[in-house]
Amino acid sequence: QQQVKQSPQSLIVQKGGISIINCAYENTAFDYFPWYQQFPGKGPALLIAIRPDVSEKKEGRFTISFNKSAKQFSLHIMDSQPGDSATYFCAARVIGANNLFFGTGTRLTVIP
Amino acid sequence: GAVVSQHPSRVICKSGTSVKIECRSLDFQATTMFWYRQFPKQSLMLMATSNEGSKATYEQGVEKDKFLINHASLTLSTLTVTSAHPEDSSFYICSASGQGASYEQYFGPGTRLTVT
Repeated sequence: QQQVKQSPQSLIVQKGGISIINCAYENTAFDYFPWYQQFPGKGPALLIAIRPDVSEKKEGRFTISFNKSAKQFSLHIMDSQPGDSATYFCAARVIGANNLFFGTGTRLTVIP
Repeated sequence: GAVVSQHPSRVICKSGTSVKIECRSLDFQATTMFWYRQFPKQSLMLMATSNEGSKATYEQGVEKDKFLINHASLTLSTLTVTSAHPEDSSFYICSASGQGASYEQYFGPGTRLTVT
């Protein structure tokens, strides 16, 4: 059973546009929600993360929106650039544990 | 962020042989290390979790006798794929977590294993 559901599977955005990737979860014991960026042939890199006590976190062009009641969180990439083309994974972690539960990934392509 | 290295980045081995992959945390002490496997265009699949000095905890369906994990020090974990077969060909990624890294999971660059 997929603990974290991610959509869309793939996304094509024009340069300068906004990329939006959504994730949903059921386990209310999750207390930490990171997003990872992965380029082909490389390991994932932590991009931005949020805890459920805030509804939004922004770092540069990347913003996480978090809706605790709906058990959903999303990544917004503003002014998307071709260099943002990568696979993005959302994840969630249970309180007091180390294990991460990953979403299925979204392959983002930003076209010039 | 904290740095995790993996070696080798690519390895090709013959069917029936064993291959060892190293994962090192370069600037922090990793009390916990994780090993993942990733198939093309798929998500990361957790294989096992290891705490320094303890036996690894394997996920359901992962053969512990085939995928030997050693976490002998706070900066090094190894994954040995024993008697490798072509179906073991995959991208193997480690991650490390520890107090010096704020208990975030930092990922290595991955190792591409091809078994011929």
